[in-house]
Amino acid sequence: DSGVTQTPKHLITATGQRVTLRCSPRSGDLSVYWYQQSLDQGLQFLIHYYNGEERAKGNILERFSAQQFPDLHSELNLSSLELGDSALYFCASSVQGAGELFFGEGSRLTVL
Amino acid sequence: EDQVTQSPEALRLQEGESSSLNCSYTVSGLRGLFWYRQDPGKGPEFLFTLYSAGEEKEKERLKATLTKKESFLHITAPKPEDSATYLCAVTSSNTGKLIFGQGTTLQVKP
Repeated sequence: DSGVTQTPKHLITATGQRVTLRCSPRSGDLSVYWYQQSLDQGLQFLIHYYNGEERAKGNILERFSAQQFPDLHSELNLSSLELGDSALYFCASSVQGAGELFFGEGSRLTVL
Repeated sequence: EDQVTQSPEALRLQEGESSSLNCSYTVSGLRGLFWYRQDPGKGPEFLFTLYSAGEEKEKERLKATLTKKESFLHITAPKPEDSATYLCAVTSSNTGKLIFGQGTTLQVKP
């Protein structure tokens, strides 16, 4: 158990819909990262927050947005969903902006 | 653009047959190179951090090494429980992003 909690574990929705994925980091970790993993793309960096502030952005689509709240939990919002958005979405946390990340179990999104 | 390339994509070994996985990287100002292990349906699990050429880290049957252009993950006398996907990642001092390679899927047969 990494100490990072992600909900929901599984989510099935239709094209055009909007979903919110939630992440609670390890106790004491200020950094939260979001990654997307699909079979053909591997782990793709989406966004990094540190103590509520956005620190780095990857190839995150404009239809996607994220935020980190004062209690340090984070949410990833995915809107106008397309079939290609089907993937595993991982949240990870770390003490600072280091490379030793602790990953959650992921949220598997299926868009039909 | 920062890039990480891992080879081979897949590797099948017999139990006890040692081998190495390769991670080649191109990054503007390497802050660190990291190895992770990922089991099917699970999140990646951190293994090692390497910061400078010549550095080595060991953990049980795994040993990671780093040069200026690549890193190797050596697996000595592997066991079936070592079967997993091994991911390499780098952080650039310029961007601070942790960029992953595609991974090497290792299968160790008893």
